[in-house]
Amino acid sequence: DGGITQSPKYLFRKEGQNVTLSCEQNLNHDAMYWYRQDPGQGLRLIYYSQIVNDFQKGDIAEGYSVSREKKESFPLTVTSAQKNPTAFYLCASTSLSGSGYNEQFFGPGTRLTVL
Amino acid sequence: GQQLNQSPQSMFIQEGEDVSMNCTSSSIFNTWLWYKQEPGEGPVLLIALYKAGELTSNGRLTAQFGITRKDSFLNISASIPSDVGIYFCAGPRSNTGKLIFGQGTTLQVKP
Repeated sequence: DGGITQSPKYLFRKEGQNVTLSCEQNLNHDAMYWYRQDPGQGLRLIYYSQIVNDFQKGDIAEGYSVSREKKESFPLTVTSAQKNPTAFYLCASTSLSGSGYNEQFFGPGTRLTVL
Repeated sequence: GQQLNQSPQSMFIQEGEDVSMNCTSSSIFNTWLWYKQEPGEGPVLLIALYKAGELTSNGRLTAQFGITRKDSFLNISASIPSDVGIYFCAGPRSNTGKLIFGQGTTLQVKP
């Protein structure tokens, strides 16, 4: 089955620790995105990547880092520099050509809680 | 910058009622997307609109691309309890490959 997987579903972290969230897609999509969602809020873009080995900051990149070494994978690291990391993190992907351009498809999300 | 304003912010309705929500912007969009997010899950794409004036249905859902290209509407007919969730509109930010999302409309359905 084609789709986007995120792991883990729930993650607990102590203050001061870095943590990495996984995102994998087998849709052969070009672009991948990380969003943060806080309770009762919309989606805010953290980072995005339109091609392997390249990525761009979104609206709230401070305290986060990413890598895109493979087309299928776009892991997000939440660093200790992120002051309020407790949130729901969503990964998405899209093809940048053909029909459906701009239609982003989302993974099931990872809920990160800092203790 | 580009912004999308969704209304209403929340709705609490009786099962069987029809629902209408909308999304407006001061900027022109060439695509409108409607997503539904259930609690604890990622958003799921419901309907994509690509042409001004376009009316598209997906089961009990109908969405329209406003003719001014600055708004879009989503209607749900004969609501059922599983319609509960947050409905987001989204549109592309120029030609960046990024999307702008509205703040969402939270729908609750009373059986």
